[in-house]
Amino acid sequence: KAGVTQTPRYLIKTRGQQVTLSCSPISGHRSVSWYQQTPGQGLQFLFEYFSETQRNKGNFPGRFSGRQFSNSRSEMNVSTLELGDSALYLCASRQSGAGDTQYFGPGTRLTVL
Amino acid sequence: AQSVTQLDSQVPVFEEAPVELRCNYSSSVSVYLFWYVQYPNQGLQLLLKYLSGSTLVKGINGFEAEFNKSQTSFHLRKPSVHISDTAEYFCAVSPRVMYSGGGADGLTFGKGTHLIIQP
Repeated sequence: KAGVTQTPRYLIKTRGQQVTLSCSPISGHRSVSWYQQTPGQGLQFLFEYFSETQRNKGNFPGRFSGRQFSNSRSEMNVSTLELGDSALYLCASRQSGAGDTQYFGPGTRLTVL
Repeated sequence: AQSVTQLDSQVPVFEEAPVELRCNYSSSVSVYLFWYVQYPNQGLQLLLKYLSGSTLVKGINGFEAEFNKSQTSFHLRKPSVHISDTAEYFCAVSPRVMYSGGGADGLTFGKGTHLIIQP
């Protein structure tokens, strides 16, 4: 089975721009979660989508949004980028339940200049 | 809400020596526990998880962890490390009962422990 894939792997943007990141989950997995990883804050949960609905959300401003398509692929959007948004954005997929293993993709490294 | 504390940010160990990476958690609800490993420029890979049953959990690459409910700990151990074990290790928890409306229900991670294997 193919693993979780994320595109692009690297991205450079300037302040004020917006960005869209993409995630393709493992086949058969209906849940997709997004995490932000920074040296200062560590790994933080952004949100989770299940069957095209957001069912959990972390403590991030409304500039961070996402969606999930009928094939379970997910996109994450960040509008009005700030320098502090520079981070590794990780996507994880699992079948559905709380105890199911989350499988992580390699991440998208976003740099905001 | 949950929180995870990894007591050591960095652990240097000689090759073939045993290692223990410490993890303590705090939660108002019952949780599942996980250990993930991250190699440079890669995503996270699950080492092991505790859902229920025996408190000693065996994982991949010779790692094991013991869940201690009274001490709210989930320490990771390996009897003999190899140079290839050099990586960042993350302890994480998630609520057993999700979507209770109390807030975020994703994985809550510790800050990570950098395991450095010295030849």
